[in-house]
Amino acid sequence: GAVVSQHPSRVICKSGTSVKIECRSLDFQATTMFWYRQFPKQSLMLMATSNEGSKATYEQGVEKDKFLINHASLTLSTLTVTSAHPEDSSFYICSARDRYTEAFFGQGTRLTVV
Amino acid sequence: AQKITQTQPGMFVQEKEAVTLDCTYDTSDQSYGLFWYKQPSSGEMIFLIYQGSYDEQNATEGRYSLNFQKARKSANLVISASQLGDSAMYFCAMGARAGGYNKLIFGAGTRLAVHP
Repeated sequence: GAVVSQHPSRVICKSGTSVKIECRSLDFQATTMFWYRQFPKQSLMLMATSNEGSKATYEQGVEKDKFLINHASLTLSTLTVTSAHPEDSSFYICSARDRYTEAFFGQGTRLTVV
Repeated sequence: AQKITQTQPGMFVQEKEAVTLDCTYDTSDQSYGLFWYKQPSSGEMIFLIYQGSYDEQNATEGRYSLNFQKARKSANLVISASQLGDSAMYFCAMGARAGGYNKLIFGAGTRLAVHP
């Protein structure tokens, strides 16, 4: 299957700082990328959908100013958690797809805000 | 509203035996897709199998098969000849075809433990 690379896999940051997570499609052009959040022992919740060159579409209840999403190219999307707080600690996972295939997921990023 | 229900928080199976993971869904969409993903402890989501709502045949991918019963709105995953490496969380998900399956709704997941 297609390869989606997410970086970093783990990050610890201080409260109040910002953290950027990258999601790259390595062998296909991702017209659409998705960002999910997963709390411990829970399911994935879609945060936002981004199409290359367009503003992201956020799900209800997701703060767009807190979670900045950029999808500047067909192979890269970034999620920036701004002014992170301990309650933002979670597992964040991206997925990417082109027009013809199912979505492939990255390895996920475990964010811990201390 | 769309909803996915996985009623089995945890399942145990003996190595080499078959196991069925349950998934029921609710949707008002006429055309939709059902997906199963495996999430090992490393966290990555691994796509296993897909079933379209209009597919007449049940999907199969190697040791994975999907028991699709449209009238009952169920899409159970069957893993044959279980292996120790199958131990993981398994998520059932659904997306509307009209939206290009962009918005996937996930179930709560089932943790499968394969015993030697």
